[in-house]
Amino acid sequence: GAGVSQSPSNKVTEKGKDVELRCDPISGHTALYWYRQSLGQGLEFLIYFQGNSAPDKSGLPSDRFSAERTGGSVSTLTIQRTQQEDSAVYLCASSSLTGINTEAFFGQGTRLTVV
Amino acid sequence: QQQVKQSPQSLIVQKGGIPIINCAYENTAFDYFPWYQQFPGKGPALLIAIRPDVSEKKEGRFTISFNKSAKQFSLHIMDSQPGDSATYFCAASYSGNEKLTFGTGTRLTIIP
Repeated sequence: GAGVSQSPSNKVTEKGKDVELRCDPISGHTALYWYRQSLGQGLEFLIYFQGNSAPDKSGLPSDRFSAERTGGSVSTLTIQRTQQEDSAVYLCASSSLTGINTEAFFGQGTRLTVV
Repeated sequence: QQQVKQSPQSLIVQKGGIPIINCAYENTAFDYFPWYQQFPGKGPALLIAIRPDVSEKKEGRFTISFNKSAKQFSLHIMDSQPGDSATYFCAASYSGNEKLTFGTGTRLTIIP
C-alpha cells in the first residue's frame, strides 16, 4: 500500500476484554514499531521488530501486552484484560533502514477507549 | 541514557515569528536526530533530520541547530504561519539500533 495502515481506526471495549490492533507496514520495510500516545502526551515506545531479529519488547508496560509480526509483514498488538489506563492512541510505524535515512512512517493510529 | 528531554511543552507565537523548540539527550551513541510534526488526528510525519557531523541543516523554513558538545539540538521555524500549528517531537536513534526515542512533544500555536 501507499502508507502504513492501521485497523481499526477506533475501538471501544469493555474493561476486562481482550483487543487486537493490526498494523500493515509499507511493503518492503524491515523495521516495525508500536508506540502509545495518551491524550496530549508524548510517544511511549512499546515494541520494535527488526527483520528476523528478536523483537525489542522493553517498552511493553505489562504482561497483558504482547505483539507479533507474521512473515516479516503484518503485526498485531494484543492487549489482554484491558484496563481504563490502556485508553490511548496506538501508533504503528515502519522504516526501511537503508542505513542513510531511517525515516519512520507512521500510520494514523488506533484510538482505543476502555469503558 | 535513552531519554530525550524536550522543551517547552507548549508555545504560542505570532505569525511571522521564529518559534524555537529545544531538545537534549544523554546517550552519546545517538547519531540520528529527526523532528516529527503531528497534526490532530494524524500520525507523526518526518519534518527534517540531522546527523552529528554537521551543526546546522535547513530545509525550507525549518532549521535544525545541533551542538554535539552540549548534547543539544533545536528546531527553528522561520516566518511561521498558522498552518505550522501542530505538535512537534524531537527524536534520536543510533546506528545498529534504529529504535526512535522521542521527546515529550511541544504543542505549537501560531496566531494570525
